[in-house]
Amino acid sequence: ELKVEQNPLFLSMQEGKNYTIYCNYSTTSDRLYWYRQDPGKSLESLFVLLSNGAVKQEGRLMASLDTKARLSTLHITAAVHDLSATYFCAVDRWGSQGNLIFGKGTKLSVKP
Amino acid sequence: GAVVSQHPSWVICKSGTSVKIECRSLDFQATTMFWYRQFPKQSLMLMATSNEGSKATYEQGVEKDKFLINHASLTLSTLTVTSAHPEDSSFYICSAWEVTWDTEAFFGQGTRLTVV
Repeated sequence: ELKVEQNPLFLSMQEGKNYTIYCNYSTTSDRLYWYRQDPGKSLESLFVLLSNGAVKQEGRLMASLDTKARLSTLHITAAVHDLSATYFCAVDRWGSQGNLIFGKGTKLSVKP
Repeated sequence: GAVVSQHPSWVICKSGTSVKIECRSLDFQATTMFWYRQFPKQSLMLMATSNEGSKATYEQGVEKDKFLINHASLTLSTLTVTSAHPEDSSFYICSAWEVTWDTEAFFGQGTRLTVV
């Protein structure tokens, strides 16, 4: 069974701190996606990681992909309150692009 | 990035009635569109996959007679929730895939359905 596991599921951080969200998956997919979701909103695409060793950075967020370990990380640097949201990772199902299996999401709360 | 427009953003309907949700790709032709459902505080679960001009493929446990999907053109897919019940209340999100780009699917804004 294809699984995408995120941890932690809940993360409460103080502003200025660093932390990493982990995403493990069981498929052989070499493509992984990170999304942000604000309450009541749809998904906002953060990163598309297309190959082993891919690393992408945008602002205080950096994502990486290790397809051999089937692991992706989303690193948060010097967190700010505006980063509070739920973050999902997802992989393509059975090599069917666009057909995504999502992790359960990590609810991030950044406190002053 | 490409734009996918979903309409309506929210809808309240009475139990037993039907509701139609539209998903449009505004600036590209979507080879495939996907419909997801998200219950409160949960992740997204795929309901069905639709390809233009063919029948939708439903995930296990999703009633195809209750959730009617039509993908009549390369820019429009519709999801009709028939005979809605309160347990159908959820956040429905569509996404669209363009095969020649082959990078990612683009998500609509979502539709909050409340059945009373």
